[in-house]
Amino acid sequence: NAGVTQTPKFQVLKTGQSMTLQCAQDMNHEYMSWYRQDPGMGLRLIHYSVGAGITDQGEVPNGYNVSRSTTEDFPLRLLSAAPSQTSVYFCASTKQGRAEAFFGQGTRLTVV
Amino acid sequence: AQSVTQLDSQVPVFEEAPVELRCNYSSSVSVYLFWYVQYPNQGLQLLLKYLSGSTLVESINGFEAEFNKSQTSFHLRKPSVHISDTAEYFCAVSVAGGSNYKLTFGKGTLLTVNP
Repeated sequence: NAGVTQTPKFQVLKTGQSMTLQCAQDMNHEYMSWYRQDPGMGLRLIHYSVGAGITDQGEVPNGYNVSRSTTEDFPLRLLSAAPSQTSVYFCASTKQGRAEAFFGQGTRLTVV
Repeated sequence: AQSVTQLDSQVPVFEEAPVELRCNYSSSVSVYLFWYVQYPNQGLQLLLKYLSGSTLVESINGFEAEFNKSQTSFHLRKPSVHISDTAEYFCAVSVAGGSNYKLTFGKGTLLTVNP
């Protein structure tokens, strides 16, 4: 049981490049979320999904797209990276009706 | 909307000393409360949670937190810390009865345990 798996662990992008951060969970959780962590800011919610085909915006959605075609996967896309998107990104999943969120190990993204 | 305030950004202590990490929250509805721990270069792990019932909750590694509704607080305590407790600690809330895909986090408290 791998839990929540994020790839890659590290990435450096040039301004304007695009990329997809991958997130997969094998716990059959209905809910998945993306957060970004910045120094002194804690974690802030970017996007979330309550099931396949259903996504919604969180607190800081600008510059990011998501889709949820399967229960297991919830990729986060940066269409045109900006230095302000330099951050550590965490994916989380939660079982419907349960309170505990499980987090991946994070992706450290640097945009230069 | 909910908000979480962690009153200390850094807490340095000596090994075997007691520690308290403070957390206050604001919400117009009932909430669930959580403490997550992040060791260096790792993801977040749930340390303990308050959903309902007894206001004092404990973790397996000696931490405890007490939910105080009147003071809207959920402070984390440990009577004797170890070097291995060095980590960043995050307090978080979510709407009670809802599902936990929308957590609101505090800004974190870096606990440094010195020998």
